[in-house]
Amino acid sequence: AQSVAQPEDQVNVAEGNPLTVKCTYSVSGNPYLFWYVQYPNRGLQFLLKYITGDNLVKGSYGFEAEFNKSQTSFHLKKPSALVSDSALYFCAVRDEGDKLVFGAGTILRVKS
Amino acid sequence: EAQVTQNPRYLITVTGKKLTVTCSQNMNHEYMSWYRQDPGLGLRQIYYSMNVEVTDKGDVPEGYKVSRKEKRNFPLILESPSPNQTSLYFCASSFTREFMNTEAFFGQGTRLTVV
Repeated sequence: AQSVAQPEDQVNVAEGNPLTVKCTYSVSGNPYLFWYVQYPNRGLQFLLKYITGDNLVKGSYGFEAEFNKSQTSFHLKKPSALVSDSALYFCAVRDEGDKLVFGAGTILRVKS
Repeated sequence: EAQVTQNPRYLITVTGKKLTVTCSQNMNHEYMSWYRQDPGLGLRQIYYSMNVEVTDKGDVPEGYKVSRKEKRNFPLILESPSPNQTSLYFCASSFTREFMNTEAFFGQGTRLTVV
C-alpha cells in the first residue's frame, strides 16, 4: 500500500532562515507526490507536485521540493521563510486508484 | 473561478438526526472524494467516485453514504450521526491519473459536531 510519513509534528524556524519540511514515501511504481498547505479555518491548497522529470520542483509562494528516489524522500523547502508561511503542511501520494494518501501533517511556525 | 463548494461550513447536530453535506465542483472533474481530518491522523478518505453513478468505499466508510447522480455534485450523507463522527470534513475533486494535471482541489471544509 502507498504511504507517506512526515516525521516531524512541528518545525520551528526564524523568519528569513531557510526551512525544510520532511516527507518520505513508500509506493509501488512511479510516485505521484504532492504538497498541500492548510491555513487556519481554510481548505487545503495545492503547493506543488512531482509526476516525472526534473527532481527539483518549484511551486507556489516560493516553495520547492526535491524528489530523491534513492532516499524515497520529497522534502519541502524554501530559501527564506516568512511569518505568513506558518501553517499546517501535508505531503501526499496519489496511488494507482487515484486516491490521495496523506501524511499526518507538519505544523510550521515561523517566528519574527 | 474554478472551485469546490461545500455547505454548510459549520454544523452542530444531535445523535441520530440525518444530515447531508453538499459538495459541488465546476471543473468537470471525474474524480471526487470525501475526507475527514482528525488531529494527528491527517486526512482519511471516506468515499470516492470515479465518475457519475460510480462510487466506492475509502478507508473509513462506516456510518456514511454518498451518491453521484451528476458529475458536478457529490453529497455526503450521515443517516444516523454519532459523536465519533465529529470531525472536519473536506470534499475534493480532480481529473484522474491519466491526465498530468492531477492535483486535487479542496472545498473549504465542514466542521461537524454531533452531540
